[in-house]
Amino acid sequence: QSVLTQPPSVSAAPGQKVTISCSGSSSNIGNNYVSWYQQLPGTAPKLLIYDNNKRPSGIPDRFSGSKSGTSATLGITGLQTGDEADYYCGTWDGSLTTDVVFGGGTKLTVL
Amino acid sequence: EMQLVQSGAEVKKPGESLKISCEGSGYSFTKYWIAWVRQMPGKGLEWMGVIFPGDSDIRYSPSFLGQVTISADKSTDTAYLQWRTLKASDTAMYYCAKRGGSYWYFDLWGRGTLVTVSS
Repeated sequence: QSVLTQPPSVSAAPGQKVTISCSGSSSNIGNNYVSWYQQLPGTAPKLLIYDNNKRPSGIPDRFSGSKSGTSATLGITGLQTGDEADYYCGTWDGSLTTDVVFGGGTKLTVL
Repeated sequence: EMQLVQSGAEVKKPGESLKISCEGSGYSFTKYWIAWVRQMPGKGLEWMGVIFPGDSDIRYSPSFLGQVTISADKSTDTAYLQWRTLKASDTAMYYCAKRGGSYWYFDLWGRGTLVTVSS
């Protein structure tokens, strides 16, 4: 059971928009920055979004991030078949039990 | 070009020991935290712990404390993840990742080391 809750799967057609949610609590998302990672099949995770809504160099602006309260959202517009991947949110957790936490992951299917 | 190069896949028997590595290049290795992340077959990412190679300050996830040992060698820009006694349940892909900046995100990942523990 992950500390951060993501939907197991989402799907949309090519060219459409999809959002992936990440729900946490005041000890993690509520008081810390959120990052998002893309893991294409058989590859290592790659940073997509950091500090809630910033994109590293080379990440297209089709990918966006936002945060409100204890939840965060990853948005992907203009879906491409190459976007089919697992997506993970991550943040720092300030509780006594752990430090960095990840969501359980969301599998994006581009129909 | 910044890189984290991880050691190759390992096949071990239960009860054996193992040490895998993660060598950084293209940046100042001693100035950024390095994390280890486990991904069991078909499962999500699990943070195991982090090390600051500059002074070997280490933090473990409670789930992995006592189960693994994280270390680093400043002279070779290499971080390590070690098991004293492997179990079948340690079968997984293990990634090292570099912390990006002031906050806890990871901007550079190794390709992973697949560890298989089977009798």
